[in-house]
Amino acid sequence: AQRVTQPEKLLSVFKGAPVELKCNYSYSGSPELFWYVQYSRQRLQLLLRHISRESIKGFTADLNKGETSFHLKKPFAQEEDSAMYYCALRGNQGGKLIFGQGTELSVKP
Amino acid sequence: EAGVAQSPRYKIIEKRQSVAFWCNPISGHATLYWYQQILGQGPKLLIQFQNNGVVDDSQLPKDRFSAERLKGVDSTLKIQPAKLEDSAVYLCASSSSPGQGYEQYFGPGTRLTVT
Repeated sequence: AQRVTQPEKLLSVFKGAPVELKCNYSYSGSPELFWYVQYSRQRLQLLLRHISRESIKGFTADLNKGETSFHLKKPFAQEEDSAMYYCALRGNQGGKLIFGQGTELSVKP
Repeated sequence: EAGVAQSPRYKIIEKRQSVAFWCNPISGHATLYWYQQILGQGPKLLIQFQNNGVVDDSQLPKDRFSAERLKGVDSTLKIQPAKLEDSAVYLCASSSSPGQGYEQYFGPGTRLTVT
């Protein structure tokens, strides 16, 4: 079965602390993995995808096929990072995104 | 480039009533998706269109939900009759292609409350 699991509903850190949002997936094949972010009162938007291997707003994520994980990391959290973060996968046939339940990140001053 | 547009932004109805949502995708995007996001959960696909044809409606409750994309541009999602469990945010997304590597762009969503 295709599934994305984000074990933490809420993650609270202080400004300047490292952040890691966990994502594990279940899929047989070669999926695409994504992180989407939703800031308060804004629409869902793509943060980064595994195929681009880039750092966006200081965030990085590495696809670990052995552990079927795609954790999102940032070495120094900022208050403006506070948002809902969703991990998602898309199968090798393309099409729909399968989302995890989301993790709310709260960065305190 | 203008983003995905949706209307209305909010809707409150009583159970057993009907409701319709409208989506205008990004110009030129052939693929259109409707997702349902229940509070505390991630979005879940209801239906996917490629131009004006349905590609995937496996998770659409067809006894009460219907969707169309006439002329392959705008789309309408309808619920008739609504149930309490239909309370959710309905998201429309579009992409230029359904394939891997093509980004899906999301609209602001329509928040439906069924009382």
